[in-house]
Amino acid sequence: ILNVEQSPQSLHVQEGDSTNFTCSFPSSNFYALHWYRWETAKSPEALFVMTLNGDEKKKGRISATLNTKEGYSYLYIKGSQPEDSATYLCAFWNRGFQKLVFGTGTRLLVSP
Amino acid sequence: EPEVTQTPSHQVTQMGQEVILRCVPISNHLYFYWYRQILGQKVEFLVSFYNNEISEKSEIFDDQFSVERPDGSNFTLKIRSTKLEDSAMYFCASRGTEAFFGQGTRLTVV
Repeated sequence: ILNVEQSPQSLHVQEGDSTNFTCSFPSSNFYALHWYRWETAKSPEALFVMTLNGDEKKKGRISATLNTKEGYSYLYIKGSQPEDSATYLCAFWNRGFQKLVFGTGTRLLVSP
Repeated sequence: EPEVTQTPSHQVTQMGQEVILRCVPISNHLYFYWYRQILGQKVEFLVSFYNNEISEKSEIFDDQFSVERPDGSNFTLKIRSTKLEDSAMYFCASRGTEAFFGQGTRLTVV
């Protein structure tokens, strides 16, 4: 069974705070890790696709790192804004990549 | 940017009725998926589809569910006899080098 865990489950920060979340995944048969941003009633928006150990990707104030040997990825948001409020999902492809396995998500709320 | 389209956006149906959820995946993609999210719960994998057949399905995907790609463009999910617990957001995805998701269909079974 492929298990992808995210922590924390939810997070409430003030505007301007920087924050980070963790995604843990099986380190064997790794193929790729995706990060998605999901606002209520919308489809998941792709943020990053990460494939190589040590990968670091950045999109504006959001960045992510990847450690495939130990099976984790961090997502960082610098200077959070209210519009960053969403659920952040990571999803793991194994080598057979028959399916994308999603984590439980981290719900972020940024208050003005 | 490429787009996966799902219809309808919202479907209300009576328990026991059949529903068909439709998806138009990205044209040059070969792998297709259905996921669902029951309100407040985790996103769950239902089924993956490749080369006109199911490549993997979850325990949720029982005999009440079926998928097909009848005309080479639409990818459909059929629930034969809906139950209250089938109420959820259903997401279609298609994959090339990256997976893209549709906007989802909110299914409400009453």
